[in-house]
Amino acid sequence: KQEVTQIPAALSVPEGENLVLNCSFTDSAIYNLQWFRQDPGKGLTSLLLIQSSQREQTSGRLNASLDKSSGRSTLYIAASQPGDSATYLCAVDSSGSARQLTFGSGTQLTVLP
Amino acid sequence: DGGITQSPKYLFRKEGQNVTLSCEQNLNHDAMYWYRQDPGQGLRLIYYSQIVNDFQKGDIAEGYSVSREKKESFPLTVTSAQKNPTAFYLCASRTGIDEQFFGPGTRLTVL
Repeated sequence: KQEVTQIPAALSVPEGENLVLNCSFTDSAIYNLQWFRQDPGKGLTSLLLIQSSQREQTSGRLNASLDKSSGRSTLYIAASQPGDSATYLCAVDSSGSARQLTFGSGTQLTVLP
Repeated sequence: DGGITQSPKYLFRKEGQNVTLSCEQNLNHDAMYWYRQDPGQGLRLIYYSQIVNDFQKGDIAEGYSVSREKKESFPLTVTSAQKNPTAFYLCASRTGIDEQFFGPGTRLTVL
């Protein structure tokens, strides 16, 4: 059964820092990996989707990488801003007919002004 | 605007009462999903449906029921058999292996 882990559970950084969020998964047989952002009391907003054949995806100040063989993905945030404060979740789409996502428990990011 | 709507935003349930959470999407997505989120935890799958009139249990289906009579709609009923229903409920949809999109969520509280 696929398991997804995100470390650390919480992270505080000063504004302007570059930072990396980590996601690891136990079964490398995946279709894709998706990074989401969740603000308190809100739904999830999709940030980046990396297909299994891709190594990375970029959107603005965000860059996500995928290393299937080692079961790891990272989300890089450049020049962090207080508005980036949120919980970031990664989710893996594993092989199988269910086509369901398996989620990590998230990293709560606080960017201090 | 294309998207997923959930209603109500907040819902209160008395002991022994069944309640229904609404989820509607106008993205023309085939698959729809219901997740439960507890504080400090990731999302857990309750039910999913890949086509109309078909749905499958997820990891924590006990005490919940769903229907999928229309492509756009996937309501979730929380029955009295669910002993600990207080949580944040999220509906999602997607097509194929594309991105999964989420609604704004419903917060259910048991009185």
